[in-house]
Amino acid sequence: DAGVTQSPTHLIKTRGQHVTLRCSPISGHKSVSWYQQVLGQGPQFIFQYYEKEERGRGNFPDRFSARQFPNYSSELNVNALLLGDSALYLCASSLDWATNEKLFFGSGTQLSVL
Amino acid sequence: QKEVEQDPGPLSVPEGAIVSLNCTYSNSAFQYFMWYRQYSRKGPELLMYTYSSGNKEDGRFTAQVDKSSKYISLFIRDSQPSDSATYLCAMSASLSGNTGKLIFGQGTTLQVKP
Repeated sequence: DAGVTQSPTHLIKTRGQHVTLRCSPISGHKSVSWYQQVLGQGPQFIFQYYEKEERGRGNFPDRFSARQFPNYSSELNVNALLLGDSALYLCASSLDWATNEKLFFGSGTQLSVL
Repeated sequence: QKEVEQDPGPLSVPEGAIVSLNCTYSNSAFQYFMWYRQYSRKGPELLMYTYSSGNKEDGRFTAQVDKSSKYISLFIRDSQPSDSATYLCAMSASLSGNTGKLIFGQGTTLQVKP
């Protein structure tokens, strides 16, 4: 069975641009969460979606947005990119929102903002 | 003060050594405790999952939780070069009203030398 898949694996953008990251959860998983991991730090929670509804949001500016589709895949959008947005963006899935402790992560999208 | 503190290391040990990794936390509402392993350029992989206080063993890995001291540990017996990775502790609060938010430590980088 395929795990959590994310695309693209690497991305280079310039300041002020917009970026869209994509995630497909494990088959049967209905909840998707997004995390940002800056080099040398642990992942930080950005969003959680379940059944296309936002269930939680971390301490990130409104430039960050996300959505979940009927097939449970998800997109993370970041507008007006800043140098500080350079990080590994991780998507994680779980069966449902109440079992989020057992999160399964994808390999991430490495975003570099120049 | 961060909610979860973890010594970033790096920690270097010879093959076969017993490794002890630790995290402290400040939020007494945390009830779910996890250890993730992260190889370079990969997403975190769930190693151990523990609810409340106590010990849990899985092969060469043992997780301990002491809620009275707000302290968790991961022990690795007979360490192998393939254990070389970054180890992240993570925690979350009660399922009730859970929004899927895991709080991660900074991660400890471990190198096991042959």
